[in-house]
Amino acid sequence: AQKVTQAQTEISVVEKEDVTLDCVYETRDTTYYLFWYKQPPSGELVFLIRRNSFDEQNEISGRYSWNFQKSTSSFNFTITASQVVDSAVYFCALSETNTGNQFYFGTGTSLTVIP
Amino acid sequence: GAGVSQSPSNKVTEKGKDVELRCDPISGHTALYWYRQSLGQGLEFLIYFQGNSAPDKSGLPSDRFSAERTGGSVSTLTIQRTQQEDSAVYLCASSSGTRSSYEQYFGPGTRLTVT
Repeated sequence: AQKVTQAQTEISVVEKEDVTLDCVYETRDTTYYLFWYKQPPSGELVFLIRRNSFDEQNEISGRYSWNFQKSTSSFNFTITASQVVDSAVYFCALSETNTGNQFYFGTGTSLTVIP
Repeated sequence: GAGVSQSPSNKVTEKGKDVELRCDPISGHTALYWYRQSLGQGLEFLIYFQGNSAPDKSGLPSDRFSAERTGGSVSTLTIQRTQQEDSAVYLCASSSGTRSSYEQYFGPGTRLTVT
């Protein structure tokens, strides 16, 4: 079974629109970590955020915000006022403490921001 | 400082040949990971190193795949008798610790094409 599901394969939005990327995870651990990575067309994955399972506070960083809800096992990512430079593939990932060091990545959501 | 580097950036090989892919992690990073990314797919975990040892080899797809790490630094992923299904981008990542909370820093990848 897929531990991290990103149901949206591709999304297109017009510049300045808001967009939310969904991430649903599955784990039996009580302590785990969630991550978002961005993979621009250049190919190199860039770390965006880490969240531990005990911290459900939403986080905002500039135009980026993350909504972590344990009740629905979701860790969604919203980009406000999208820009062309936001075009990339975004990956959600889960790391469980009992499996030590393995990261489980979703299949990614390809975001295209149209000028 | 310098990030994770990988070489070669592109490799085209004939079916049945062996290939070696190299990863130079960030200096001082104790953990090193190999992933495979096929077209339109997420990241498939292959193996990780803690220092020079590989506690988890569960992701290696077959016995044609092997990896080693020397001096707690450079790692080499070797694929013997390559097959067309081995064509993918091979990504290396490193992190400063081996606990699940540490984010990973990725290299640019090696694009392998088996003809």
